[in-house]
Amino acid sequence: GAVVSQHPSRVICKSGTSVKIECRSLDFQATTMFWYRQFPKQSLMLMATSNEGSKATYEQGVEKDKFLINHASLTLSTLTVTSAHPEDSSFYICSAEGQENKAFFGQGTRLTVV
Amino acid sequence: GQQLNQSPQSMFIQEGEDVSMNCTSSSIFNTWLWYKQDPGEGPVLLIALYKAGELTSNGRLTAQFGITRKDSFLNISASIPSDVGIYFCAGRAGGTSYGKLTFGQGTILTVHP
Repeated sequence: GAVVSQHPSRVICKSGTSVKIECRSLDFQATTMFWYRQFPKQSLMLMATSNEGSKATYEQGVEKDKFLINHASLTLSTLTVTSAHPEDSSFYICSAEGQENKAFFGQGTRLTVV
Repeated sequence: GQQLNQSPQSMFIQEGEDVSMNCTSSSIFNTWLWYKQDPGEGPVLLIALYKAGELTSNGRLTAQFGITRKDSFLNISASIPSDVGIYFCAGRAGGTSYGKLTFGQGTILTVHP
């Protein structure tokens, strides 16, 4: 099956700093990637749709200036959490659409803001 | 917006037992996907369904796309300890929401040896 790699898997940062998370499709091209946030024991919440070569589409309630998304190539999308605060601590997961419209997920990034 | 109701929320079963979980939607979906998520990991795709009435198996797993296109179920036969995890259904509609997935709340499965 298709492989989506997400990096880093864990990151701890100080409050007020920015953190960049990368999502790569390793063996296929993805014009569209998705970024999710997941709280403990809860389902995945879609944050935004990342479109290669154009602006991301954000879900209602998600601050686009806080969660910057860049989809610079057909295999890479990045999510930058700017001026991170403790309430931004969460599990962030990306997905990419492969063949047959199947969505494949990265391993997730555990962000802890201290 | 679209909503998916997944049940049960959790299951505690003995090794060897069969498991069934389902999802229902308030609206029609064109694709149903079932995922398993282990702690601290991203969801892993188990089965994808594309047509109403479609029944698909993957080893001990069987899933069906409901005739009304508003529901799907996943069955696991002869459960083993490594089946432990959280199972999510996800549906995709067409039109303006093409590509987006709507997720169920998840079913936490615990298997006792």
